[in-house]
Amino acid sequence: DIQMTQSPSSLSASVGDRVTITCRASQSIDNYLNWYQQKPGEAPKLLIYGASNLQSGVPSRFSGSGSGTDFTLTISSLQREDFAAYYCQQSYYTHSFGQGTKLEIK
Amino acid sequence: DVQLVESGGGVVRPGGSLRLSCAASGFNLETHGMSWVRQAPGKGLEWVSGINWNGNSRGYIDSVKGRFTISRDNAKNSLNLQMNSLRAEDTALYYCARQFQLGNDAFDIWGQGTMVTVSS
Repeated sequence: DIQMTQSPSSLSASVGDRVTITCRASQSIDNYLNWYQQKPGEAPKLLIYGASNLQSGVPSRFSGSGSGTDFTLTISSLQREDFAAYYCQQSYYTHSFGQGTKLEIK
Repeated sequence: DVQLVESGGGVVRPGGSLRLSCAASGFNLETHGMSWVRQAPGKGLEWVSGINWNGNSRGYIDSVKGRFTISRDNAKNSLNLQMNSLRAEDTALYYCARQFQLGNDAFDIWGQGTMVTVSS
């Protein structure tokens, strides 16, 4: 099984900040890495697929990078609506998620 | 609108069974792999099971192998999850999700979930 490890588990930041969340896979997953945002009481929403491709309708302040085992999600300038939980997920072999990163307002 | 709607959740005793269903609308289910993902209260996301477009390939997380069975009925545009021998640790909100074929099988469409509670 492929284990996904996200860091940090929680993060406090202010509107306008640049934020980076990292995700590490227990083995190489090429670029089969996806990122999701989940707000309380809502279903997850796909942000980035294939490590760096922005899903349709997602603001351009979100970006993803990485390949192999190490990946990052960057939000260039935090907006109030971005405070949520974020999950990475590998789709290289079946599927598995990271444990999540809770992004809170400082 | 493209939509997934889950049903079938409820409260069941340990050892009991439930059958979840997911109805798709606004797109042809037959052209997509599909999965079930669950989220225990206050916890993260956990992939449970997936099935390819024609039902010939299925996968499960180790903890549900031999107890859960995923199936699909493309003619009815629906996905199912038969859950037997339920345990307390299966308590969660169960989402069905569509796999995005051109997007490395990322989950691009999600339902709102159906709650399963296993308790005596």
